[in-house]
Amino acid sequence: DSGVTQTPKHLITATGQRVTLRCSPRSGDLSVYWYQQSLDQGLQFLIQYYNGEERAKGNILERFSAQQFPDLHSELNLSSLELGDSALYFCASSVLTGDLTEQFFGPGTRLTVL
Amino acid sequence: QQQVKQSPQSLIVQKGGIPIINCAYENTAFDYFPWYQQFPGKGPALLIAIRPDVSEKKEGRFTISFNKSAKQFSLHIMDSQPGDSATYFCAASETQGGSEKLVFGKGTKLTVNP
Repeated sequence: DSGVTQTPKHLITATGQRVTLRCSPRSGDLSVYWYQQSLDQGLQFLIQYYNGEERAKGNILERFSAQQFPDLHSELNLSSLELGDSALYFCASSVLTGDLTEQFFGPGTRLTVL
Repeated sequence: QQQVKQSPQSLIVQKGGIPIINCAYENTAFDYFPWYQQFPGKGPALLIAIRPDVSEKKEGRFTISFNKSAKQFSLHIMDSQPGDSATYFCAASETQGGSEKLVFGKGTKLTVNP
């Protein structure tokens, strides 16, 4: 157990809908990252927040948005969903260990768009 | 454009064998190279990581070999066990400004037969 929690575990919805995925980082971790894992694209970085502020952006679609709240939990909002958005969405949080930053991944949310 | 190329896609070894997974990268600004292990239904977990100023790092049965001039790095698993059967991902990131945007390889599915 990494200490990162994600809800819900599974989500089934229809095209055109909007969903919100939630992540709680490990206690004390200020950085939160979101990744998408699909069979064709592999694991792709979406976005990073650090202490409430956006720190880095990856291949995140304009239909997707995220935020990190004062209690450090984060939400990933996916709107106008398409079949191709079906994937595993992982949240990770990080701590600095020596000079290496270790990212701890949550168990993921499996999104199925029908 | 795939920034981190990983091979092989799958690998089968006998117990006690030494599977080797290779990765190559293009971006010379990458300065952090972690390997992640993922079991079915779980999030990736950090196995071992290296900075480019070191050519080799060992942690238990896992070794990273790093060749900066060739822009290649590899994971060796000594005395492999059936419990090592998992998908392994190499990754790289450019850790400037506090951003650790990880770029992942496509993964190698390792099967260790008893």
